[in-house]
Amino acid sequence: SQQGEEDPQALSIQEGENATMNCSYKTSINNLQWYRQNSGRGLVHLILIRSNEREKHSGRLRVTLDTSKKSSSLLITASRAADTASYFCATARIQSGNTPLVFGKGTRLSVIA
Amino acid sequence: EAGVTQSPTHLIKTRGQQATLRCSPISGHTSVYWYQQALGLGLQFLLWYDEGEERNRGNFPPRFSGRQFPNYSSELNVNALELEDSALYLCASSLWETGFFGEKLFFGSGTQLSVL
Repeated sequence: SQQGEEDPQALSIQEGENATMNCSYKTSINNLQWYRQNSGRGLVHLILIRSNEREKHSGRLRVTLDTSKKSSSLLITASRAADTASYFCATARIQSGNTPLVFGKGTRLSVIA
Repeated sequence: EAGVTQSPTHLIKTRGQQATLRCSPISGHTSVYWYQQALGLGLQFLLWYDEGEERNRGNFPPRFSGRQFPNYSSELNVNALELEDSALYLCASSLWETGFFGEKLFFGSGTQLSVL
């Protein structure tokens, strides 16, 4: 079963606008990660935020984490056509052990030039 | 440094046949993970191997199996193929320690399996 659920399922914006995607999860986590997938190929890791962190930045990416609400958001500022892709959140449970990362269904982002 | 490589890129089989998918992890990575991505369903965890042993298995029937070789490369075998097995199969790798503690994964480009 899916641990994370992204919202919205699809998002279409104009180049230069900001894009915000949300992720909700169910169990306590060790960390939450965001990945990008272009055209149904491999996933690329974007950013990892630990359970004791509330906000993290990487270039044009900003991730927030609210463990009380079990939710995270990914903000892409000043979007570009090249940002067009699917974005997935993935969670590592608090006692990972042999438990793999659990992925959501993703948000499809379209950035129109 | 080479990333995770998967072969073949595309595979077309008919129902009832067997499929073998291959994965080579990043040099130095000992853990290999297999995920299935069916259309609209996100990534579903299949199998996790490390040091030649199966560490964890997702909720898939036994006809999905695999193995890891001494050089840490891995095979995923799907027997008695069904139409719903059509999907993108993604392989990822990590160092054992980082995988164990839920750190980031490095993905290959996937094998698109089509069952007719």
